[in-house]
Amino acid sequence: SSELTQDPAVSVALGQTVRITCQGDSLRSYYANWYQQKPGQAPVLVIHGGNNRPSRIPDRFSGSTSGNAAYLTITGAQAEDEADYYCNSRDSSGNPFGTGTKVTVL
Amino acid sequence: QLQLQESGPGLVKPSETLSLTCTVSGGSISSDSYYWNWIRQPPGRGLEWIGSVYYNGNTHYNSSVKSRVTISVDTSKNQFSLKVTSVTAADTAVYYCASQVAYCSGGSCYEMDVWGKGTTVTVSS
Repeated sequence: SSELTQDPAVSVALGQTVRITCQGDSLRSYYANWYQQKPGQAPVLVIHGGNNRPSRIPDRFSGSTSGNAAYLTITGAQAEDEADYYCNSRDSSGNPFGTGTKVTVL
Repeated sequence: QLQLQESGPGLVKPSETLSLTCTVSGGSISSDSYYWNWIRQPPGRGLEWIGSVYYNGNTHYNSSVKSRVTISVDTSKNQFSLKVTSVTAADTAVYYCASQVAYCSGGSCYEMDVWGKGTTVTVSS
């Protein structure tokens, strides 16, 4: 089955830029989607189809893809962006999620 | 606006069957534009995709749970359901249902765009 690997944790200073990486073979065939999850809450879609934002998501969130990797970038991180972030894609066996990255805003 | 709500017992005994239902409102479960998914999250851990069902009953399952899981759809009630047999403590988790776009074009690519709030299931005697 496909695996999507993420760095366990990253930190970013308030107002600075952070990039989260997701790696996996399925990303060569399908775009990544990204979800934000805050403690005790359900995940929320922040990026779909590689680099598209739902209307309610601030434009400081952006996505990109290169080869077998996908990236979520937060430009000008805010305190409310502190959360867990998961990538997700599709492969022949289903819809795997990444291992998750905890983002801390300092 | 599509909304999803999970329901079912919060406590299940080991070796028994876990049964959950997801009620869809604000849209039709018979739409050919969506798959309907179950995802779970054990305490302190990441998201695990369990499986999905299409309006016509076609299913896909995570190979790690495939032998114990059944997902079904009831179009008359606008609901879909999850059954997990022979549960153990490892099945203790928050269970989410989610809608998933059923295509990869026009800026979408199989994203799970609407999620229920989740329901906690504990497996314990």
